[in-house]
Amino acid sequence: DIQMTQSPSTLSASVGDKVTLTCRASQTIRSWMAWYQQKPGKAPHLLIYKASSLESGVPPRFSGSGFGSEFTLTITSLQPVDFATYYCQQYDSYPWTFGQGTKVEIK
Amino acid sequence: EVRLVESGGGLVQPGGSLRLSCAASGFTFSNYEMNWVRQAPGKGLEWISNVSSSGLTTHYAESVKGRFTITRDTDKNSLYLQLSSLRAEDTAVYYCATGGYCLSGSCYNIGYFRHWGQGTLVTVSS
Repeated sequence: DIQMTQSPSTLSASVGDKVTLTCRASQTIRSWMAWYQQKPGKAPHLLIYKASSLESGVPPRFSGSGFGSEFTLTITSLQPVDFATYYCQQYDSYPWTFGQGTKVEIK
Repeated sequence: EVRLVESGGGLVQPGGSLRLSCAASGFTFSNYEMNWVRQAPGKGLEWISNVSSSGLTTHYAESVKGRFTITRDTDKNSLYLQLSSLRAEDTAVYYCATGGYCLSGSCYNIGYFRHWGQGTLVTVSS
């Protein structure tokens, strides 16, 4: 199975900050990477697919990049609604796997 | 508007069985691959199974293979997950989610989950 490792596990930031979350795959997944946001008690919400494609309706302050085994999710100018947990997910090969999550909390 | 509504969760004893349902509306269900993803309390997300738009092809995570069965009923626009031989570690919120769609022999957006239900909680405990 492809292991997905996210860093950091927790990130403390302030409103207006630019934050970068990292996800590393244990082997190449080309561009088959998705990012999700999840708030407590809610279902995950798709942000990014194919490493850098922004899902419809997602604010442009979110962006994704990377190829192969290292990927980043960047949030420019963090907003109060962005405090949540973020998960990466590979869909290069079965079983599709998620990272353990990065919690973005208020500093 | 796409809507996915899970049901069927509850408390079940170890070794027991349960059937989860996911009622779909707002899209052409028969064109879409469908998935189940679960989340143990306080933990991360785990993809566990999917079924092709035709219903003919299924995939499972090793953690549930041989114990869980995914099916779909196009006439009822519904997805199901039969859970058997349940263990304490199967305790989780179970989400159904859309996958890729196939049209005229071509398939798109395979592998990620665009729409999610609200989830149904399964608790395995004596």
